[in-house]
Amino acid sequence: DVQLVESGGGLVPPGGSLRLSCAVSGFNFSEHWMHWVRQSPGKGLQCVSNIHGAGIGTTYADFVKGRFTISRDNAKNMVYLQMDSLRVEDTAVYFCVRGTLHWNGLDYWGQGVHVTVST
Amino acid sequence: DIVMTQTPLSLPVALGQPASISCGSSQSLVHADGNIYFNWLHQRPGQPPRLLIYKISNRFSGVPDRFSGSGAGTDFTLEISRVEAEDVGIYYCMQSSQFPHTFGQGTRLEI
Repeated sequence: DVQLVESGGGLVPPGGSLRLSCAVSGFNFSEHWMHWVRQSPGKGLQCVSNIHGAGIGTTYADFVKGRFTISRDNAKNMVYLQMDSLRVEDTAVYFCVRGTLHWNGLDYWGQGVHVTVST
Repeated sequence: DIVMTQTPLSLPVALGQPASISCGSSQSLVHADGNIYFNWLHQRPGQPPRLLIYKISNRFSGVPDRFSGSGAGTDFTLEISRVEAEDVGIYYCMQSSQFPHTFGQGTRLEI
């Protein structure tokens, strides 16, 4: 079975940093793009970043460019999201999501991890 | 970014009755490869979203055949032929033709 398990969330003050991790299993990890998507009551679902299966390409939403960094370790079946210079508006549930193989899209989602940016 | 707009935002439906949700995109979803990457997702309370329909009308693995998708251009529809209790939750449309992938606001289906 495909499994994605996020960790690393928590409460952090504005300007702080967090590193989210996503452990995956049940599929050939290096074949898939991986994505981070967040959900908040005010903004709904938003794509944050994604990374190519071999790690050779990444993209970022404008609202996190220069602050967040996505990476992966194919030997460990892990994907990461380093979040720096966090803002109150980054408060959300962050989901790790698998990119599809044969068409453009997202198929399997992790359970999500809460990130709260507050004083 | 492409804006996705859903209607209605709230949908009360009786058990066994049909339901329909519409979604419009602010621009064409035709990808450079000629395909339209339009999807429907379902989210139950406390759960992550789950993929229902991809490429307008293809049901994802394990999705019951009472769910169907249709559409073309910038207008798309999700139909449930006979609503069951497990169908409650929020339905989202999503385009994955262009990054950033973008989502509709969600339609809350309630019995």
